[in-house]
Amino acid sequence: DVVMTQSPLSLPVTLGQPASISCRSSQGLVFSDGNIYLNWFLQRPGQSPRRLIYMVSNRDSGVPDRFSGSGSGTDFTLRISRVEAEDVGVYYCMQGTHWPFSFGQGTKLEIK
Amino acid sequence: QVQLQESGPGLVKPSETLSLTCTVSGDSITRVYWAWIRQLPGKGLESIGYIYYTGIIMYNPSLMGRVTMSLDTSKNQFSLKLNSVTAADTAVYFCARMPRQLSHWGPGILVTVSS
Repeated sequence: DVVMTQSPLSLPVTLGQPASISCRSSQGLVFSDGNIYLNWFLQRPGQSPRRLIYMVSNRDSGVPDRFSGSGSGTDFTLRISRVEAEDVGVYYCMQGTHWPFSFGQGTKLEIK
Repeated sequence: QVQLQESGPGLVKPSETLSLTCTVSGDSITRVYWAWIRQLPGKGLESIGYIYYTGIIMYNPSLMGRVTMSLDTSKNQFSLKLNSVTAADTAVYFCARMPRQLSHWGPGILVTVSS
């Protein structure tokens, strides 16, 4: 199985400051159709995960442009340019290329 | 707007079968693939399986043949059965759309395995 490793696991951030989460996969994530199915989710307490970014760098509708995704090969990054209070929660990366699809351990973002 | 809603018993006895249904609105169940994911307490998210109306089904090998998925096109629903459950199967179960990208999720249902 593909192992997704996130860092850091805990991310205290001051409001208005940038934040970055790394996600590394144990195998390359290029699917046979040429796409890389690497997604990012935010899970707020008591809610289901909400997708923010799909296929590495595509922002979902309604997601603020302060969120961006990048990466290639086995290394991927989620960046928040200026953290706001509503960004608090647990962030997960997830690969949808190799079955079984797998998730990172989660990164808990909190406000300092 | 696509919406998914899980339903089923919140409590299942050990060795019995967990049965859940996901009702989809705002999309046709024959249009895309559908998935089940679970979130184990204190642990992460785990893919259970996905299904397409043509009969394509994939299960996570870690569930060792205990899982069965099906769908009902007349009700726009798909279902999950997990047999021989143990306490280790206690989790929040989510249904979701488009397994490779998980574009939409249901709110989740907590299923506790206990006698």
